Amino acid sequence: GAVVSQHPSRVICKSGTSVKIECRSLDFQATTMFWYRQFPKQSLMLMATSNEGSKATYEQGVEKDKFLINHASLTLSTLTVTSAHPEDSSFYICSAVQGINTEAFFGQGTRLTVV
Amino acid sequence: DAKTTQPPSMDCAEGRAANLPCNHSTISGNEYVYWYRQIHSQGPQYIIHGLKNNETNEMASLIITEDRKSSTLILPHATLRDTAVYYCIVRVGGANNLFFGTGTRLTVIP
Repeated sequence: GAVVSQHPSRVICKSGTSVKIECRSLDFQATTMFWYRQFPKQSLMLMATSNEGSKATYEQGVEKDKFLINHASLTLSTLTVTSAHPEDSSFYICSAVQGINTEAFFGQGTRLTVV
Repeated sequence: DAKTTQPPSMDCAEGRAANLPCNHSTISGNEYVYWYRQIHSQGPQYIIHGLKNNETNEMASLIITEDRKSSTLILPHATLRDTAVYYCIVRVGGANNLFFGTGTRLTVIP
């Protein structure tokens, strides 16, 4: 299957700082990318959907000013967690699709720890 | 998207077939059934999907009942590496977002 790469795989940051997570589709052009968050022993929760060149669509309850998403090219989307707090510590996962009705491919995830 | 119901956990002996059920009684005509799995601390991995016909690939088989209200994912010869959480998701045709339920934690036992 297609490859989606996330970077970094792990990050520790201080409370109040911002962290950027990158999601790249390595061997295909992703028309749409998705960002999920997963707390321990819970399922994945969709945070937002981003289409290349347009503003992201956020799910209810997700603060768009806190979780900044940029999808500037067909192979790269970034999620920036601004002013991070310990409760933002979680496993963040991106996925990408090439077109409609195609399967989504997931990155390996980024474990964020805010101290 | 239609809601799915899966058992929270299952065990399977190594080398035997693992049959993972999923109920999606409110599925509508244009919704596909997708299966993904997530091995601990990794991103989900696509397994298979179907609309109404049974499907098979190198990883698994998907059996969808005639009324499409339930389906079964079959791993024909489970190995220890198949231990994971398996998610059954119904997804509207033409839509790309996936909403994950709680899944089934499959443990393959030596």
